[in-house]
Amino acid sequence: QKEVEQDPGPLSVPEGAIVSLNCTYSNSAFQYFMWYRQYSRKGPELLMYTYSSGNKEDGRFTAQVDKSSKYISLFIRDSQPSDSATYLCAMRSENAGGTSYGKLTFGQGTILTVHP
Amino acid sequence: GAGVSQSPRYKVAKRGQDVALRCDPISGHVSLFWYQQALGQGPEFLTYFQNEAQLDKSGLPSDRFFAERPEGSVSTLKIQRTQQEDSAVYLCASSSSLLNIQYFGAGTRLSVL
Repeated sequence: QKEVEQDPGPLSVPEGAIVSLNCTYSNSAFQYFMWYRQYSRKGPELLMYTYSSGNKEDGRFTAQVDKSSKYISLFIRDSQPSDSATYLCAMRSENAGGTSYGKLTFGQGTILTVHP
Repeated sequence: GAGVSQSPRYKVAKRGQDVALRCDPISGHVSLFWYQQALGQGPEFLTYFQNEAQLDKSGLPSDRFFAERPEGSVSTLKIQRTQQEDSAVYLCASSSSLLNIQYFGAGTRLSVL
């Protein structure tokens, strides 16, 4: 079983819909949680960055972290065709005693298409 | 440049050939990471550097993979005797310190025939 599980989709929604993307994880040491967006043949681009549990909002995007359930979500409101991309969740630990705490562990990615 | 630059963008290699992939991080970024992204998968960690020191190479899949960053800036990922299973996109990321945001390059797409 992978440390981070993400439904690969694909997910197809009409323009203006609310999109919900989710990841579950098994490693309780993860403290930092990120969502990246990746367009075709491009590198991942950071969308949201949160520490520990809670909610964070940035424009049309809201990230939620529930550490007790080991579950994170990204909500996209008023989705646009330009939001069509692969969305990757990523996380890392805060174990300062180790040597690998800088590395990110990614989910598989969810392919999202927003059609006009 | 303003972002992470990787070259070449595309590389086709015959099985058994050696390849070298280059990463130019954002100027001043001390931390540099390499990831491998197979088709339809998320990136997987390969190795990282703090300045010129390679602090973690636990993700390198075999001893055919080697990375260096001799002057603490540009990094090269070398794959010897390439195999078909090495076909993937190789992503480089840099950050201003080990725990800060990682900025990714566009990647090098390696195809081994």
